[in-house]
This record gives sequence, structure tokens and C-alpha cells, in this order.
Amino acid sequence: EVQLVESGGGLVEPGRSLRLSCATSGFSFDDYAMHWVRQVPGKGLEWVAGISWNSAGKGYADSVKGRCTISRDNAKNSLYLEMNSLRVDDTALYYCVKEQGRTEAGPLDYWGQGILVTVSS
Amino acid sequence: DIVMTQSPDSLAVSLGERATINCRSSQSILYSSNNKNYLAWFQQKPGQPPKLLIYWASIRESGVPDRFSGSGSGTDFTLTISSLQAEDVAVYYCQQYYSSHTFGQGTNLEIK
Repeated sequence: EVQLVESGGGLVEPGRSLRLSCATSGFSFDDYAMHWVRQVPGKGLEWVAGISWNSAGKGYADSVKGRCTISRDNAKNSLYLEMNSLRVDDTALYYCVKEQGRTEAGPLDYWGQGILVTVSS
Repeated sequence: DIVMTQSPDSLAVSLGERATINCRSSQSILYSSNNKNYLAWFQQKPGQPPKLLIYWASIRESGVPDRFSGSGSGTDFTLTISSLQAEDVAVYYCQQYYSSHTFGQGTNLEIK
């Protein structure tokens, strides 16, 4: 069974940093691209970042470009999102998402339960 | 950036009736080299993460009931639920993965 478990969220002040982690199991992690997608509670979905199976390809939404870094550790079956210079509008539920394919251009087939990040003073 | 626009924003359908949700992309998401439309549909119920229903515009994900179907090509796509069941009440999103990833704003499906 595919499992994606996010951690590292919480309450943080504007301008500070936070690192989200996603522990995975139930599939060959190093065979698939991975993504972060966020959702403000009660609102729609926003893709944040994606990374290819071997980390050679990375992509970011304009809203986080320059402030966030996606990375992965295939030996640990884990995905990460480093977020810097956090803003109030980064407040959202952050989902770790598996892609069907190896690149960042495929269907998103498995989602974690999400981790809440609240940016507030 | 490719903008995805869904219609309607909200829809109420009687049990057993057909539900149709439309999605339009601001540019074609049909990749000519493989003739695939880079379009997916998701279902999200309250308190749950989105669930993949349809990908490549018309391929049903494993385990998804066959009352769900996807159609369309280029810039115009449709999700159809042939006979609405109570458990289908949810918000539905379309998403393109042709150029980066963008989602539609969502369609809230309710029982009439």
C-alpha cells in the first residue's frame, strides 16, 4: 500500500523558514517524480513544486520561486520542501504527492493527508 | 501559464441523474508527438486529500467506478457521472500537466 506521510508543519512567523518532510513507503520511491501541492482550507488546489525521479529536473510555481527548494533522498524514500521568507499567504495545507511517471509531467496518483503550515505573527 | 477554467462552479443533480462538469484550458494541452491530452480529474471529499479519477483525459484510474468518464481534446474537456450516487457528493477539480501543473477552481457537486 502506498503511504505518504508529511511532517514538519506548524505555526511560524512571517519571514522565518520551515522544512517539510514526506516519508514514503509501499512503492519504489526512486522510480517516480514527486510533488508538493497546497490548499488553503476551504479553497482550491495550488501546485507548489515538483522533482524528477533523479533530482535532475525541478520546477516551482511562480508564487514560491526563489523562496522554496524541493529535494529528495532516494536512499531514505523521502521528499522535502525547504520554505524560506515565509509569508502569510503561504498558510495552507501542504500535500506530498506521487506522480505516475519519472518526469514532472505526469498524473498525480497518490496524495498524503497533508500537513498544515500557518504563517502568522 | 496555462489557466484552467471549470464550469459550473456549483452543480446540483438528482440521484440517478447525469452530472456533467466542463473544463477549458487557456491553450491546447494535446501533445502532438504522443497524441495525449495532459488532463486529469480529481474528486475531493471534505477532510480528505484529492483522489485521482481520470488521467490522460479519458483513462479511468484503477478502482474508480465506471459511472465516471472523461472526454474531450485540445482545450475542452468534460467529466461525466452517468448516474449520480450519494457518495459522489464532493468537489471536482480538473488539472493540466502539459506545462507545469495547474488546477481548475473546482466544481462543488451536490444532491438536488
